[in-house]
Amino acid sequence: GQNIDQPTEMTATEGAIVQINCTYQTSGFNGLFWYQQHAGEAPTFLSYNVLDGLEEKGRFSSFLSRSKGYSYLLLKELQMKDSASYLCAVKDNDYKLSFGAGTTVTVRA
Amino acid sequence: IAGITQAPTSQILAAGRRMTLRCTQDMRHNAMYWYRQDLGLGLRLIHYSNTAGTTGKGEVPDGYSVSRANTDDFPLTLASAVPSQTSVYFCASSDGGGSDTQYFGPGTRLTVL
Repeated sequence: GQNIDQPTEMTATEGAIVQINCTYQTSGFNGLFWYQQHAGEAPTFLSYNVLDGLEEKGRFSSFLSRSKGYSYLLLKELQMKDSASYLCAVKDNDYKLSFGAGTTVTVRA
Repeated sequence: IAGITQAPTSQILAAGRRMTLRCTQDMRHNAMYWYRQDLGLGLRLIHYSNTAGTTGKGEVPDGYSVSRANTDDFPLTLASAVPSQTSVYFCASSDGGGSDTQYFGPGTRLTVL
């Protein structure tokens, strides 16, 4: 089976930086995705990594190390609207996505 | 229509009843998916379809069936609902590009009593 681990909750202050870690053990690897999900809404795509290294998109960056089975999502200059759940998902050998349980980030003023 | 739509938005259903959740996309994506999301468990794949006319089982297919008669529609049917099927159901489709990113519909909140 697939095993994807991420912290349950994180809290940070507006303007700060938060790093959400994700470790995975899956049957094969064909890419890692990060999604953002606000309460009561659908997940929305944030980032995709298939090669090792850092992908930067504005205030959000995502890092991947395939040899370590590890990724992180970095949120910089936190804003109140960044309060949401962040989902790590891995595409396996069958090209199906397996999701972690999600990390709820609370941004405080 | 823009993107993926799901209907109904929410539903309360008596156990034993039959229910079909509807999903329509207008992005001409080949692949479509049904997930359920439960607290503490994350999103779990129920069924998927790689292209019109084909379907496959995901991680938690028991008690659910799907059909894919055309590219746009992918309904999910609960033949005889049970309380453990109380969940939020998300439909998704993917663009088939290099990343084959999945895009999600707004979800259906289903309560089975």
